[in-house]
Formats: sequence, C-alpha cells, structure tokens
Amino acid sequence: NAGVTQTPKFRVLKTGQSMTLLCAQDMNHEYMYWYRQDPGMGLRLIHYSVGEGTTAKGEVPDGYNVSRLKKQNFLLGLESAAPSQTSVYFCASSLIRTSGNEQYFGPGTRLTVT
Amino acid sequence: AQSVTQLGSHVSVSEGALVLLRCNYSSSVPPYLFWYVQYPNQGLQLLLKYTSAATLVKGINGFEAEFKKSETSFHLTKPSAHMSDAAEYFCAVSEVTGGGNKLTFGTGTQLKVEL
Repeated sequence: NAGVTQTPKFRVLKTGQSMTLLCAQDMNHEYMYWYRQDPGMGLRLIHYSVGEGTTAKGEVPDGYNVSRLKKQNFLLGLESAAPSQTSVYFCASSLIRTSGNEQYFGPGTRLTVT
Repeated sequence: AQSVTQLGSHVSVSEGALVLLRCNYSSSVPPYLFWYVQYPNQGLQLLLKYTSAATLVKGINGFEAEFKKSETSFHLTKPSAHMSDAAEYFCAVSEVTGGGNKLTFGTGTQLKVEL
C-alpha cells in the first residue's frame, strides 16, 4: 500500500514551458486535492476533485488546470509556467466528505521556474 | 470563511523541555481541527485531530492538544521534547462545503530542539 505518490519529485522549467504533475493514490479515496506550499504561507488549495470526472477551483487556481479521468489519479497541469509558480506542490486525498476525515498527503514535487 | 492563526513562526526549546505550539481558529460552525507535522523534504503527516468526541486529544509521538471553545484555541503540547521532534507543524481547520472537505492551514511553526 503506497498511499499517495507524486511524480516527478523535482523539476526545473523555463518560463513559458508546460508540464503535468501526476498524483496517484491506492486507498480508493473519493476526494483528491492539489496544494502549493510557499514559505510563510502554509498550504493553499489550488484545485480539488470530489470524484472521477469532477474538478473544482480552490483558493489559488489561476495558471493551473486539473483532470481526474480515473479515480486513483489527479493531474495538475501548468500550460505556460511563470516564476511565480515556483513552489512545492502537494497532492492529498481523503476518503469521504465529512469534516472529521483527515487528508493523506504525498511527498511533494519541488518545481522551479526560471 | 474559516481561518487558523498560528502564533510564532519559529519556536525553540531545549531537549526535555515542554513543547507548546499555539493555534487559534475562527469558525462559524463547530470546527474540526487537525495538527500535521512536516519533516524536512517530506509531505505532511497527521499528528492528531479533534472531531468533537473529547476536548483533550492524544496523538502520535507523545503529542496532545486541547480544544478550548471559549478561547477558540487548539494548542499542541508535548511534555518533553526530543531531538526528533524538530520539524514544521501546521494547524488546520476543516470545512465541508458543497464541493468537498477542504482544509484551511495556518502558516506553520518551525520547531527547533536544542541540546
């Protein structure tokens, strides 16, 4: 049982390039989330999904797109990377839609945009 | 909207001393509260959670937190710090909306443990 995995672990992009971050979970969780973590700002929600084929915007969605074609995978895309998107990106998942259910986090992807 | 405030972005304690990390929340409904720990270059790991069953919540690694409604607080404590406790700690509040179970995080507290 691997839990939540993310690929790649590190990536350097040039401004204007595109990339996709992959998140996979093997816990059969319905809900999945993408966060970014920046120094002194905690984690901020980018997009989330409440089930296969559904996505919704979080707190900071601009410049990102997501897709959830399969229940176990949640993809985060950057169409035209900008230096402001330099960050550590975390994926998370949770089982069901109640406030008492914790989210399980992946190990993160460190992205640098030059 | 719910929010979380963590007082002190950096806390330093001696090994064996009490650890106290502060968290205050704002919520219009009874909150569900979490403490997560992040070790260097790793993801977040759940320490403990409050879901209204008991106001004193015990977690992993000897940590506990007490929910105080009158003070809107959920401070994290550990009686005796260990070098392995050095990490960043995040308090979070959970909100169920039409779109799912979303967490709002505080800005984190970096704990340093000195010999």
